[in-house]
Amino acid sequence: DIVMTQSPDSLAVSLGGTATISCRSSRSVLHSSNNKNYLAWYQHKPGQPPKLLIYWASTRGSGVPGRFSGSGSGSDFTLTISSLQAEDVAVYYCQQYYTTPLTFGGGTKVEIK
Amino acid sequence: QVQLVESGGGVVQPGRSLRLSCAVSGFTFSNYGMHWVRQAPGKGLEWVAVIWFDGSHKYYADSVKGRFTISRDNSKNTLHLQMDSLRAEDTALYYCAGGKDSGYDSGLDYWGQGTLVTVSS
Repeated sequence: DIVMTQSPDSLAVSLGGTATISCRSSRSVLHSSNNKNYLAWYQHKPGQPPKLLIYWASTRGSGVPGRFSGSGSGSDFTLTISSLQAEDVAVYYCQQYYTTPLTFGGGTKVEIK
Repeated sequence: QVQLVESGGGVVQPGRSLRLSCAVSGFTFSNYGMHWVRQAPGKGLEWVAVIWFDGSHKYYADSVKGRFTISRDNSKNTLHLQMDSLRAEDTALYYCAGGKDSGYDSGLDYWGQGTLVTVSS
């Protein structure tokens, strides 16, 4: 199984600041046939279902604000939230869909400092 | 608009069975792979199972393999999860989710609100 490791477990950022979340996979999720990274990021708020933010490691989902960006390739990925807003308080998960079983990272809780 | 509505959750004794359903509307259900994802109390997200658009392929997490069965009825736009031999560690909020791929080569765009399963004597 591909193990997804996120860091940090939690972080507190000032309003307007930048949150940076790391995700590392135990093996590469870059598919050589199409040069795509099979990596997604989700935002999960209490009482709501998860929301897809980023897929293919760097493509924003429908309606996702531009302050959310994804980067990285192979086994190392980053989610960056710029100009942090109060509504960005949530738990963020990375997930690989390169192979089954699909696996999620442990989550990173983002709070306001 | 896209809607996924889960049902069938509840309290069940260990060793018993439960069948979850997910009614889908607002997108062409029969074109896309569908998933079940769960979240145990106080824990993170755990992927459970996926079924191909036409039901031809099914894959499971090791934790549920041999006990859970995913299925779909494309004529009724409905996804199911048959859960047998339930254990306390299966207690979770179960989400159905779908992506824009016939299998699992996509992020999960669409999610239901979840249905709660509690396994307890």
